[in-house]
Formats: sequence, structure tokens, C-alpha cells
Amino acid sequence: DAKTTQPPSMDCAEGRAANLPCNHSTISGNEYVYWYRQIHSQGPQYIIHGLKNNETNEMASLIITEDRKSSTLILPHATLRDTAVYYCIVRSTGTASKLTFGTGTRLQVTL
Amino acid sequence: DVKVTQSSRYLVKRTGEKVFLECVQDMDHENMFWYRQDPGLGLRLIYFSYDVKMKEKGDIPEGYSVSREKKERFSLILESASTNQTSMYLCASSLTPNYEQYFGPGTRLTVT
Repeated sequence: DAKTTQPPSMDCAEGRAANLPCNHSTISGNEYVYWYRQIHSQGPQYIIHGLKNNETNEMASLIITEDRKSSTLILPHATLRDTAVYYCIVRSTGTASKLTFGTGTRLQVTL
Repeated sequence: DVKVTQSSRYLVKRTGEKVFLECVQDMDHENMFWYRQDPGLGLRLIYFSYDVKMKEKGDIPEGYSVSREKKERFSLILESASTNQTSMYLCASSLTPNYEQYFGPGTRLTVT
């Protein structure tokens, strides 16, 4: 699976959009981009995933560049409960493919 | 909503004890996974199962075994617990291999 690079930490004011970047320059054609987050002392929570088109769900939007070498997770109106570590994961299709979590981005949402 | 539950949030065991960690999912998922999470090392896959009685080794299976007798339940077994197995253990399940994985709350195991 391709490796990802994320900034170690970011701050965001409550109510503003949080834009979390991820670089995955070695991504291959059959690899999806997944985003998870982990709130302190809890299990990771699935947010969203995509292959090449932009995706949106009730939690977030995922913007993938045309060359697929980077992506951005957007939390449109961040709240204090969005404070967590956010992981960008590139994952191949295949038999019971595992998730490889890097170190992620620690997002701190402040008042 | 998918629900993945783990038998304990916190567990303290002694070196050499046999330890059982239980995971149950309620969504009829085919695939189940056991990870451990350590500071600076991220999540590492220990074992996974893609069907009842089927199991595959992950990246760090040494010192662990698993059991999947029923579809909804996946157990992780530490045959003889050691201090280097002190960690957060996370169970996950997914509908198919390529679907998103849903995680339980984790079990923080301390081996003394």
C-alpha cells in the first residue's frame, strides 16, 4: 500500500471549516483513499473514502486531486467534538486488505 | 449502526497468564480484525479472519492466536502474556474485504 504524509498537527476555530491535507504521491490505480479519526482513548472511526471522484457524506467531504497524488478532508463546520487524530490511509483492493495507520494529524478545535 | 463491542476496556494480567480478548459485532460482517496500537508505532495488524474458522496472520502474529467459531465473535488469545504485550488492542469488522472497517472501543491491556 502507498505511504501517506500528513502534517502532525493543525488548529481550527469552532464553526470554521477544517481542511486536512494528505499527500499520497505513490498511489496506484486500484488504491482508495480512506479517512479515519480517533478521539482520545477510543477506537478509530471511519469517516469517508474515495477512489478518484470527490465524495461527501454527513460527516465530511473528500477532495482528491485529478492526479490522485493528494487529497483533502474537509469538516465543514468544526466543533469541539471533532478534536481528534485524523488518519489518511491508502488501501489497495484485495482479500481482507488491512488498514495501515500512519501517525496522522492531530486536529485541535478551539473556541 | 454497526456495533463492535470488546469484552473489557481495561485489563491487568500477570506475566505468563493466558489472556482472552473477546470481540463481538452485530452486523453480520464477514471480516474481522485484531490490531494493537502503541505510541509511535500506529496500528499494527495481528490477525484477521474472513470467514468462520478461517484466519490469516497479520504483520505481528507472534505470541498470539485467534479463534472464530461463530461469525459474530472473534477472540484474540495471548498464550503466555509478556510485558511487551502491554498495549491497546482494537478489534474491527467489515462487510467485505474492501469495505470500511468499524472498530470497537479498544481494550487497554497491562501485563505486569
